[in-house]
Amino acid sequence: SNELTQPPSVSVSPGQTASITCSGDKLGDRNACWYQQKPGQSPVLVIYQDSKRPSGIPERFSGSNSGSTATLTISGTQAMDEADYYCQAWDSSTGIFGGGTKLTVL
Amino acid sequence: EVQLVQSGGGLVQPGGSLRLSCAASGFVFSDYWMHWVRQAPGKGLVWVSRINSDGSGTIYADSVKGRFTISRDNAKNTLYLQMNSLRAEDTAVYYCARVITTAGGLGYWGQGALVTVSS
Repeated sequence: SNELTQPPSVSVSPGQTASITCSGDKLGDRNACWYQQKPGQSPVLVIYQDSKRPSGIPERFSGSNSGSTATLTISGTQAMDEADYYCQAWDSSTGIFGGGTKLTVL
Repeated sequence: EVQLVQSGGGLVQPGGSLRLSCAASGFVFSDYWMHWVRQAPGKGLVWVSRINSDGSGTIYADSVKGRFTISRDNAKNTLYLQMNSLRAEDTAVYYCARVITTAGGLGYWGQGALVTVSS
């Protein structure tokens, strides 16, 4: 299967650590990416190649990928991090997105 | 500064056609593969298509194969998506995007163009 599965929602208190998982067959053998999308805006790449941060992305965003699960971790979560997050991987040059996770900062 | 500026969205009847454009600037357009991604209202991101740097190689999601055509004009620094035989389920915001680096994620996105397929 080439599907990527994410939890529909994750809640976190401000200042705490949020973890969002993405599961897929042998996902650890592929490069995983993560995108943040706020309402009415285009997605923003926050992690690529499993754990790299693009320029301008805060250090509190980190990623890992092993086995069948990739994880996006947001340390010291801030209110501005409330958004939808999507994982993505490449499968024979086609893109596959997870269904998305709504992160709520309570 | 990398910029991707989209145009061409709108309302079209089922069975109709529409062409989206994505004008690129701030980088050497002919060096990069380009992609289209769509998002139906209230739904998640879905990858649609990819074209390689010189336009000789294209690939499509099964849902649009045979109906959509991705192309590029490197002289005009512009990416296109020709959409034919449109269906209601093609209603979405369409984004063009560029990878951040080879085998990397989609690091640069257009502003999106809304395509509504309805009678």
